[in-house]
Amino acid sequence: NAGVTQTPKFQVLKTGQSMTLQCAQDMNHEYMSWYRQDPGMGLRLIHYSVGAGITDQGEVPNGYNVSRSTTEDFPLRLLSAAPSQTSVYFCASSYGGQGGSPQHFGDGTRLSIL
Amino acid sequence: AQKITQTQPGMFVQEKEAVTLDCTYDTSDPSYGLFWYKQPSSGEMIFLIYQGSYDQQNATEGRYSLNFQKARKSANLVISASQLGDSAMYFCAMRESGSARQLTFGSGTQLTVLP
Repeated sequence: NAGVTQTPKFQVLKTGQSMTLQCAQDMNHEYMSWYRQDPGMGLRLIHYSVGAGITDQGEVPNGYNVSRSTTEDFPLRLLSAAPSQTSVYFCASSYGGQGGSPQHFGDGTRLSIL
Repeated sequence: AQKITQTQPGMFVQEKEAVTLDCTYDTSDPSYGLFWYKQPSSGEMIFLIYQGSYDQQNATEGRYSLNFQKARKSANLVISASQLGDSAMYFCAMRESGSARQLTFGSGTQLTVLP
């Protein structure tokens, strides 16, 4: 099972460049999220989606855009990269039902902004 | 105020011994869930265990158990019979009923198992 697939795994950008981090899941999950992880901190929510066509902001949305045109894909766009966006980015998905269905995470994208 | 607090940045435990990783949380939502994830040095996030706020019994999954004390708002992870492969960062996270199934994470505890 592929689960949640993130590409690329590593990326180096220059300040001001734009790029898209890809995320795809094959579990037919309704809910998808993007988090960033900085040293010494837990994961912080950037944007999330509760279904195709529906997105919303998380705790740290500035500088990022998302869209959800299909159930499977949830790309994260950096509009104009800044050194403060150097981080590890995780995409996650989960079933939309009640109870303890956990979020399933991709392996992460390590992004460095020079 | 922080919603999830993990007060132990680092912990050491001897192989084969048990260890407790602390987690306290803050919410006014009566319906919530608490999760523990493991992040080894390779970086992936691995789901370990879940406890619902209305669950009557403490959750258990193999060598992992959750010491849930609702009145104290604590959800400590207990790992029994520690193994070298348990060395990793451990995150406590909470999902509130109004959060669209999104998680709020603590800052993590780095566990090192000593041979």
